[in-house]
Amino acid sequence: ETGVTQTPRHLVMGMTNKKSLKCEQHLGHNAMYWYKQSAKKPLELMFVYSLEERVENNSVPSRFSPECPNSSHLFLHLHTLQPEDSALYLCASSQDRQGGYEQYFGPGTRLTVT
Amino acid sequence: TQLLEQSPQFLSIQEGENLTVYCNSSSVFSSLQWYRQEPGEGPVLLVTVVTGGEVKKLKRLTFQFGDARKDSSLHITAAQTGDTGLYLCAGSSTSGNTPLVFGKGTRLSVIA
Repeated sequence: ETGVTQTPRHLVMGMTNKKSLKCEQHLGHNAMYWYKQSAKKPLELMFVYSLEERVENNSVPSRFSPECPNSSHLFLHLHTLQPEDSALYLCASSQDRQGGYEQYFGPGTRLTVT
Repeated sequence: TQLLEQSPQFLSIQEGENLTVYCNSSSVFSSLQWYRQEPGEGPVLLVTVVTGGEVKKLKRLTFQFGDARKDSSLHITAAQTGDTGLYLCAGSSTSGNTPLVFGKGTRLSVIA
């Protein structure tokens, strides 16, 4: 398998549930990202990992918890979410975390919080 | 905070027409990228422009980076239904040490 994969593609969860989103990149990149994409808003950068170290956390609520066990895998753990957290969650990777590098995106997880 | 404004937000045209979408900022960027996102998928890079005044062509798509590296345009000639999607521009800061800044995108619908 090549590129960036994400699972699951669709997720419906209640506000009291705990779930995790998974991202895997097969490109040998050093940086990985989580983005939130909502209607009528630009892509919101949530977290950046560089060489498995979290280097950016853009004021994301603690109900979102990222984990990067190695340079190929990235998780987003979700708990006690709110309906406004419903969105498309995109994972991306790039050669390096500096902005000039192309970002390769996964297909996203469409999350619905009920 | 660097912002990228994209216009128009929505565009619906007939197949065969030409169109231009814009990406503007008051900030200077070291480079600018254009992505296309199709429904149910993540964005895919179309092109990166680096030099002020640069023009790049990708089949029927022409990308231009402004002389001052603050703005960019994407022109599509003879649009096809396969061009339908969300077009995102993303800028790289001149400081070089921060992630890309994305615009809100232009949602293009090409009707047969």
